[in-house]
Amino acid sequence: DIQMTQSPSSLSASVGDRVTFTCRASPGISNYLAWYQQKPGKVPKLLIYAASTLQSGVPSRFSGSGSGTHFTLTISSLQPEDVATYYCQKYNNAPYTFGQGTKLEI
Amino acid sequence: EVQLLESGGGVEQPGGSLRLSCAASGFIFSNYAMNWVRQAPGKGLEWVSSIVGSGTNTYYADSVKGRFTISRDNSRNTLFLQVNSLRPDDTAVYYCAKSSSGSYDAFNIWGQGTVVLVSS
Repeated sequence: DIQMTQSPSSLSASVGDRVTFTCRASPGISNYLAWYQQKPGKVPKLLIYAASTLQSGVPSRFSGSGSGTHFTLTISSLQPEDVATYYCQKYNNAPYTFGQGTKLEI
Repeated sequence: EVQLLESGGGVEQPGGSLRLSCAASGFIFSNYAMNWVRQAPGKGLEWVSSIVGSGTNTYYADSVKGRFTISRDNSRNTLFLQVNSLRPDDTAVYYCAKSSSGSYDAFNIWGQGTVVLVSS
């Protein structure tokens, strides 16, 4: 099965910072990659699909890139409400594995 | 408004069974694949099972294969997860999630979750 590895496992940044998360797939998954945001005590929310397409309603400070085995999620200017754990997920075929998550703190 | 409402969770002894349900509204249920995702206390998201829109194809994580069964009733807009032979490590919040299309796709809508606690 394909492994999804996220780095770092946690990240501390300041308001206004540019923040980047990494997700690696082994083997490659083309662009069948989604990013989710889960705020503390809340339900996961889809941010990005097809590696780089922003889900409707998601602020434009979020962006995704990558293909194959290496993917990134970037927040261009960190806001206080972005405190959350971020997960990547492959969906090219089952199993639809999630990465272990990156916890973002301010 | 698209909504998913899970039910059926509870406290069960090891080896026991539960039937989780997810009532869907606000979209044409049969057009979309549906999924179950769980989250153990303090842990990350774990994909559990998926079923295509027609119900003909189902998929399971290795950790639940042979113990859990996913199904759907498109006439009642309801998704199910029959969980048997429960183990303590099945303790988690179980989320129902809608795929963005009929098969392989991201999960664009999530329910609030139902809690399963396996304990003697």
